[in-house]
Amino acid sequence: GIQVEQSPPDLILQEGANSTLRCNFSDSVNNLQWFHQNPWGQLINLFYIPSGTKQNGRLSATTVATERYSLLYISSSQTTDSGVYFCAVVRMDSSYKLIFGSGTRLLVRP
Amino acid sequence: GAGVSQSPSNKVTEKGKDVELRCDPISGHTALYWYRQSLGQGLEFLIYFQGNSAPDKSGLPSDRFSAERTGGSVSTLTIQRTQQEDSAVYLCASRKRDRVMNTEAFFGQGTRLTVV
Repeated sequence: GIQVEQSPPDLILQEGANSTLRCNFSDSVNNLQWFHQNPWGQLINLFYIPSGTKQNGRLSATTVATERYSLLYISSSQTTDSGVYFCAVVRMDSSYKLIFGSGTRLLVRP
Repeated sequence: GAGVSQSPSNKVTEKGKDVELRCDPISGHTALYWYRQSLGQGLEFLIYFQGNSAPDKSGLPSDRFSAERTGGSVSTLTIQRTQQEDSAVYLCASRKRDRVMNTEAFFGQGTRLTVV
């Protein structure tokens, strides 16, 4: 099946720093989402981005479907950005289930 | 409703008892998914519903796990004879169905199950 790899696995930032999280996937997809799992376990939708670039405040994401990767940019990080960031894809010919990467655990220190 | 709703939020049960977890998807979302997340781990797919049928139940870990969906809406995940390894957060997601599944999925807040 399709493999989804996220890097780095862990990241510690000082408040105000910028960061880039990466998601690589091993096959063609028709759907990609980024989620933030907060310390209470809730999965928050960040971006639905099967291709192209989107921005939402301090966060932006880019997916290059032909090269099978997506990037999540966090600028001017805040302590509330802490948590786990997941990338999830749906293959074009799958049963349409979301296939998750193992996540990037981010800690932003004040 | 406005979002995916799951109940209960927390459930503590004794080993060997049966439990039922409920998911109420976003109105109009015909696709529904159950996932499991063990402590500190990623999300493990359990089962996918399209309407009331489950074309993919490949992630159910054993025959102690079953799920149903009625009226194309509410789904119930049942775990029989619970074991300690069943302790996890159970998450439900829903999305609109289109021809190529090119729609955004939304998750509920999860049910934290603890088997003692």
